[in-house]
Amino acid sequence: AQTVTQSQPEMSVQEAETVTLSCTYDTSESDYYLFWYKQPPSRQMILVIRQEAYKQQNATENRFSVNFQKAAKSFSLKISDSQLGDAAMYFCAYSDTGTASKLTFGTGTRLQVTL
Amino acid sequence: DVKVTQSSRYLVKRTGEKVFLECVQDMDHENMFWYRQDPGLGLRLIYFSYDVKMKEKGDIPEGYSVSREKKERFSLILESASTNQTSMYLCASLTGGSSYNEQFFGPGTRLTVL
Repeated sequence: AQTVTQSQPEMSVQEAETVTLSCTYDTSESDYYLFWYKQPPSRQMILVIRQEAYKQQNATENRFSVNFQKAAKSFSLKISDSQLGDAAMYFCAYSDTGTASKLTFGTGTRLQVTL
Repeated sequence: DVKVTQSSRYLVKRTGEKVFLECVQDMDHENMFWYRQDPGLGLRLIYFSYDVKMKEKGDIPEGYSVSREKKERFSLILESASTNQTSMYLCASLTGGSSYNEQFFGPGTRLTVL
């Protein structure tokens, strides 16, 4: 069974600074998807960024980028120029490539953004 | 925009009651999911459905059942609620045949069982 580990329960970053959230996973599959989801306080879970394992290039979405290290089974999220609106719970998740594939989530990292 | 709605944001029930949590999506998605979210445990899959009247157990199905009579609606049922089922419940949907695999989530139902 696949597992996802987020070893940082809480992180803090100052506004405008950069922060990196860590995620490791375990799988015997060679092709799969990895995701970072954001859950703001009392708000809906939304997708931040997605990576396909067969792509070597790291995904980027505006201020959000990932460092995908397939051999090390590591998938970290970098948030640049942090904003107050980035404060949220961040979940790393894994999915097989099947069309109805369920997500396996990590335990989450709560990100605090300070002035 | 995909919209996934859940019938209640907050729900308080008593031990032994039968509880229904409803989820509706408006994008004709084939696949729907129920997760439970607990602090320090992340989200765990309870049940999912890949078609009308079809269901599969997730990682923690004990104490729960589901119903999918219409494509847009997926219900989670607690036959006899217990205090250890106090939790946040999240519904999600996903289109079939998608290579993108993004699940869209509802706002969640925070259930308290007294």
